[in-house]
Amino acid sequence: GENVEQHPSTLSVQEGDSAVIKCTYSDSASNYFPWYKQELGKGPQLIIDIRSNVGEKKDQRIAVTLNKTAKHFSLHITETQPEDSAVYFCAAPGTYKYIFGTGTRLKVLA
Amino acid sequence: DTEVTQTPKHLVMGMTNKKSLKCEQHMGHRAMYWYKQKAKKPPELMFVYSYEKLSINESVPSRFSPECPNSSLLNLHLHALQPEDSALYLCASSQEGEKLFFGSGTQLSVL
Repeated sequence: GENVEQHPSTLSVQEGDSAVIKCTYSDSASNYFPWYKQELGKGPQLIIDIRSNVGEKKDQRIAVTLNKTAKHFSLHITETQPEDSAVYFCAAPGTYKYIFGTGTRLKVLA
Repeated sequence: DTEVTQTPKHLVMGMTNKKSLKCEQHMGHRAMYWYKQKAKKPPELMFVYSYEKLSINESVPSRFSPECPNSSLLNLHLHALQPEDSALYLCASSQEGEKLFFGSGTQLSVL
């Protein structure tokens, strides 16, 4: 069945360090992979996405990499700042809806 | 305007009450969604409207009744809810079904 696994569930890093969150999907036909950031009291916000014809995409301190062969994609945040503290969700398209990962709570320690 | 606006932000209701959640977007998106999110869990899809018509109902109990009055508005009517229905209710919209734009949600408590 359709499944997205996300690891780790929690991640604490020192300010300025890098953070990496990984997701594995099951449907080899999936071709679009977004990442959402959810801050306390807010809805998820799209922060970066990647299509299957691209291996990597960067936007300032955020990057996403995709390995279609292994069916996994990762979010990389460099030079982390306290405002990066949030819950991050990956997602992959299922048959007719998005399948969200279980979420990663990132804490950036000052 | 890239916002999805949801009202109210918080709602407390009894099990016999009737209330409505409202959602509005002015991005011209043709798909609108209701999601339910429990604490520390990912959003769960409830309903999808495409071009103002209900296209997906994820086997949601009939005590939740969606309505799409026009292409910018989405309502969720609530009646006879149970305490386990307490959650964050999120509205979202998209143009091509890919990039989802979420509102800030309504935090619902059913007493």
